[in-house]
Amino acid sequence: EPEVTQTPSHQVTQMGQEVILRCVPISNHLYFYWYRQILGQKVEFLVSFYNNEISEKSEIFDDQFSVERPDGSNFTLKIRSTKLEDSAMYFCASSKISNQPQHFGDGTRLSIL
Amino acid sequence: DAKTTQPNSMESNEEEPVHLPCNHSTISGTDYIHWYRQLPSQGPEYVIHGLTSNVNNRMASLAIAEDRKSSTLILHRATLRDAAVYYCILLMNRDDKIIFGKGTRLHILP
Repeated sequence: EPEVTQTPSHQVTQMGQEVILRCVPISNHLYFYWYRQILGQKVEFLVSFYNNEISEKSEIFDDQFSVERPDGSNFTLKIRSTKLEDSAMYFCASSKISNQPQHFGDGTRLSIL
Repeated sequence: DAKTTQPNSMESNEEEPVHLPCNHSTISGTDYIHWYRQLPSQGPEYVIHGLTSNVNNRMASLAIAEDRKSSTLILHRATLRDAAVYYCILLMNRDDKIIFGKGTRLHILP
């Protein structure tokens, strides 16, 4: 069964550095998402992306965050200048169309030192 | 966003059926009822969804009350692998983002 893959599985970065988290969504899916989960807390929506543009973003997704689909297969989340509070699991998800089941990757654990 | 209410945790014995309840008294006519689960150290996983009629798939069954103000996720024969946090979520037809609550942490006893 096709799946969403995320790399790396664990990223350790110094505070203030830029980080790029990578995702390969399922190939025939059109909607892409990023979520995060701080340790011990709920999964939180960050951003949704369709037709090469952001369709919705949460308050968490401020100017430090950006998303990109640089080619036909990858979907990336960039954090420009990381803060300690950015430490979390980041999950990528994709779906065929809006309101259809989303398929999640296993996440990237981001640790900011 | 329409809200759901779930018990914080439940326990069940292995190889027995599990009924996970969800209340959504403010559901609107266009809200779909979705269930996801999150196994330890993994991303959320889609389980099942429905609108009005009961639904079955290879993972579970979804029983929806006639007034749609509550639903129950049914695992017919729980295994240790079913230990996870189960989320009941309402999605409007035009929605794409998922708003996760705290869910129900299901413990399976061997």
